[in-house]
Amino acid sequence: QLVLTQSPSASASLGASVKLTCTLSSGHSSYAIAWHQQQPEKGPRYLMKLNSDGSHNKGDGIPDRFSGSSSGAERFLTISSLQSEDEADYYCQTWGTGFWVFGGGTKLTVL
Amino acid sequence: EVQLLESGGGLVQPGGSLRLSCAASGFIFSSYSMSWVRQAPGKGLEWVSTISGSGGNRYYADSAKGRFTISRDSSKNTLYLQMKSLRAEDTAVYYCAKDLAGGFPGDAFDFWGQGTVVTVSS
Repeated sequence: QLVLTQSPSASASLGASVKLTCTLSSGHSSYAIAWHQQQPEKGPRYLMKLNSDGSHNKGDGIPDRFSGSSSGAERFLTISSLQSEDEADYYCQTWGTGFWVFGGGTKLTVL
Repeated sequence: EVQLLESGGGLVQPGGSLRLSCAASGFIFSSYSMSWVRQAPGKGLEWVSTISGSGGNRYYADSAKGRFTISRDSSKNTLYLQMKSLRAEDTAVYYCAKDLAGGFPGDAFDFWGQGTVVTVSS
């Protein structure tokens, strides 16, 4: 069964960097994922599609501060030069034939 | 500019029905699969259903099978979700989302609507 695992919470200081992790379940390490940001009281916003080789294509208007990388079954979202508006929930998403899956989300607090 | 605008949410009694709509603009609607995703209060995102660009392929989460029907009208650039036999656990914000790539369903969602609230309660 394809499952995405995310830590429930993360925190980092204003201006610092943070690396969020999304882990694919066993046997699914080749899957691409997508990262989405959901600011408080807003709909989700697509950040990027991240492939198993670390290549990624970002959505329109996504700042260079957001980048993605991969290692085995882990997919990472790195946010540098943290700003207050980066405080949000971050979800990873993947898909197979006829189904789509979301991770539980990570709540990022900017200190 | 891609825009997705959901409507049709509201308060409905358990066992009732509701039809959600998502008006799309800014892209060739018939070329892209479209999906519904929901978010219960205080919870994460849950995929509900996806329909191919032609409408010929439809997919449902187990929670939606047999009760929800996804459809689309390319003449109106509108996506629908017909929901019946609603339960309290269907209470959520419902979002429509567009597939990143055209063609057969199976990709990231690259644009989202702002959501419509469905509350199932007596």
